Amino acid sequence: DVVLTQTPVAQPVTLGDQASISCRSSQSLVHSNGNTYLEWYLQKPGQSPQLLIYKVSNRFSGVPDRFIGSGSGSDFTLKISRVEPEDLGVYYCFQATHDPYTFGAGTKLELK
Amino acid sequence: EVQLVESGGGLVQPGRSLKLSCAASGFTFSNYYMAWVRQAPTKGLEWVASITNSGGSTYYRDSVKGRFTISRDNAKSTLYLQMDSLRSEDTATYYCTRTLYFDYWGQGVMVTVSS
Repeated sequence: DVVLTQTPVAQPVTLGDQASISCRSSQSLVHSNGNTYLEWYLQKPGQSPQLLIYKVSNRFSGVPDRFIGSGSGSDFTLKISRVEPEDLGVYYCFQATHDPYTFGAGTKLELK
Repeated sequence: EVQLVESGGGLVQPGRSLKLSCAASGFTFSNYYMAWVRQAPTKGLEWVASITNSGGSTYYRDSVKGRFTISRDNAKSTLYLQMDSLRSEDTATYYCTRTLYFDYWGQGVMVTVSS
C-alpha cells in the first residue's frame, strides 16, 4: 500500500501567520493517465472532512486563495497564508492514484 | 444543495451484520461514483469502498474484502454498505462521500462493534 507521511504532526500557529504541511508518498503518485491524484482535506473539530485541493493544486469551489497546493511525483506541500480561526483543525493528504487509496495520518493546525 | 444523509448505525456484537444507507439529494446521483470512508474514535481517515456510477464495478480495502458489500439504487438515490462478520476494529464513524474527489460528505454514522 502507498504510505503518505505528513509532517509535522502538529503545527502551532499565530493567527495571520503562514503554515506549511508536507506530504511525502512512498511511491510516485503519477497515474498511468498522466494525472496526479493527490488531494487535501480539512476536518474541523466535530465536523465531517471537507475537500480543499484536488489533483495537487486545484482549489475546490469556495476554497479561499490563501490555500495553495503544490508538488509533484512523491513530494507535496499545502501552504496556508495568513491563517484565520476557521482554518484550525486536522489536515489530511490523500492519494487516489494507487489501489488501495490511502490517507496521511493528519496534521493538526492549532493556536500557539 | 448537495446533501448526503447516512443512517443505520448502532451497537452490534462481533460477528453480526449491519447495513448502512446514505440518502443523496441535490444532484444527479446516477452520474457520480460514490464511496464510504471511516474514522475510528480519535483516529485518522480510512477509505473503505467505492462504487462506479452504474454500480457495475466496486472496490474495497483488503481488510473489508469478503465481509463488506457496497451497492447503490440509482432509482432511490441511495448508497448502501452491507457489513457482515463485523469485528471490533470496524468500530468507527462511517461517512458517505461523493467522488471523483470526495467533494461532498455526509454527517457520518457511528458503528460500534462490541459484546
